[in-house]
Amino acid sequence: DVKVTQSSRYLVKRTGEKVFLECVQDMDHENMFWYRQDPGLGLRLIYFSYDVKMKEKGDIPEGYSVSREKKERFSLILESASTNQTSMYLCASSLLTAFSGNTIYFGEGSWLTVV
Amino acid sequence: GENVEQHPSTLSVQEGDSAVIKCTYSDSASNYFPWYKQELGKGPQLIIDIRSNVGEKKDQRIAVTLNKTAKHFSLHITETQPEDSAVYFCAASEAGRTGNQFYFGTGTSLTVIP
Repeated sequence: DVKVTQSSRYLVKRTGEKVFLECVQDMDHENMFWYRQDPGLGLRLIYFSYDVKMKEKGDIPEGYSVSREKKERFSLILESASTNQTSMYLCASSLLTAFSGNTIYFGEGSWLTVV
Repeated sequence: GENVEQHPSTLSVQEGDSAVIKCTYSDSASNYFPWYKQELGKGPQLIIDIRSNVGEKKDQRIAVTLNKTAKHFSLHITETQPEDSAVYFCAASEAGRTGNQFYFGTGTSLTVIP
């Protein structure tokens, strides 16, 4: 069974704090993603990575950075948290292989509240 | 880039009735179309998917249809049950492309009324 694990389910942080959201997948997937989910806006891509030490900006990268030092781990970093970053954050992974179907698998989500 | 639109945003049906959710996409290079179900407090889970070389796929009460010419695909749930209540997302992707992204619709909140 594919497993994408987000280490923190619920976090409360203060404005200006540095926040780390960690994600680990156990299926040797090349691609990893961070999405933000807000009511009425669906899933918005923040960053993705298709290889170790590689990263690509998604649709809303401002205020975020990422780190991928190992294939199985993809971290989302909020350098200085702000209240408008209060949201649910979803990590996901998928295979790179052609004709694999490339299904994307999601973690359970991390609910971040910035006060 | 790809743009996926999903309708309706909310849908209420009586238990036992059918539910249909529709999505359109813009990029003809997209060739893989998964559907996800997200229950409250959880991450989205894949429920069914279809590739561009297939027009229809069924799995028990769930079916997906794809019209490549019109660039739209639909999710059909028959004999709905209360446990089908959730948010459903459609997505489009170009399978096989290095660093391929998944483009999601904005979601449909389905309520099945007992």
